[in-house]
Amino acid sequence: QSVLTQPPSVSAAPGQKVTISCSGSSSNIGSNHVSWYQQIAGTAPKLLISDNSQRPSGTPDRFSGSKSGTSATLGITGLQTGDEADYYCGVWDDSLSTGVFGGGTRLTVL
Amino acid sequence: QVQLVESGGGLVKPGGSLRLSCAASGFTFTDYYLTWIRQAPGKGLEWVSYISTRSAYTNYADSVKGRFTISRDNAENSLSLQMNSLRAEDTAVYYCARGRNSFDNWGQGTPVTVSS
Repeated sequence: QSVLTQPPSVSAAPGQKVTISCSGSSSNIGSNHVSWYQQIAGTAPKLLISDNSQRPSGTPDRFSGSKSGTSATLGITGLQTGDEADYYCGVWDDSLSTGVFGGGTRLTVL
Repeated sequence: QVQLVESGGGLVKPGGSLRLSCAASGFTFTDYYLTWIRQAPGKGLEWVSYISTRSAYTNYADSVKGRFTISRDNAENSLSLQMNSLRAEDTAVYYCARGRNSFDNWGQGTPVTVSS
């Protein structure tokens, strides 16, 4: 059971938009910055969004992040088949003094 | 460019030990916290342990506390994870990653299998 809760899967058609939620608590999302990672099958995870909404160089502006209270959301517009991957949210937890991840969400582009 | 290259994974029997290493290059090693993250087969990411820039601070997930030890050699730009009393549930790909709160670079991972 992950500390952060994500939907197991989402799907949408090419060109459409999708959002992935990440729910936590006051000790993690409520008090720290959230990051999002993309993991394409068979490869290492890659940082997609840091500090709730900042895109590192190389992350297309089709990807966006937001945070409100104890929840965060990853948005992806203009879906492409290459976006098919597992997406994870991650954040520091002040109570545990460890990092924590969501269980991951598998995106299928139909 | 930033590179993190893990090594040392393999097959080990329950109760055995293994030492993972991560060689870093392309950045000022002493400027960054480092973290080990693992992923069991078909499962999600699990944060394992972190170490501060000068090794003053470390912490571990409850699942590995007392069995794993993280260390770094700033002269050699390397990170290590000593894993003792290994269990079947430690079977995973182990990644080293740069950072503590957010991980902007990851290695390719090294697989560890604990089985008799």
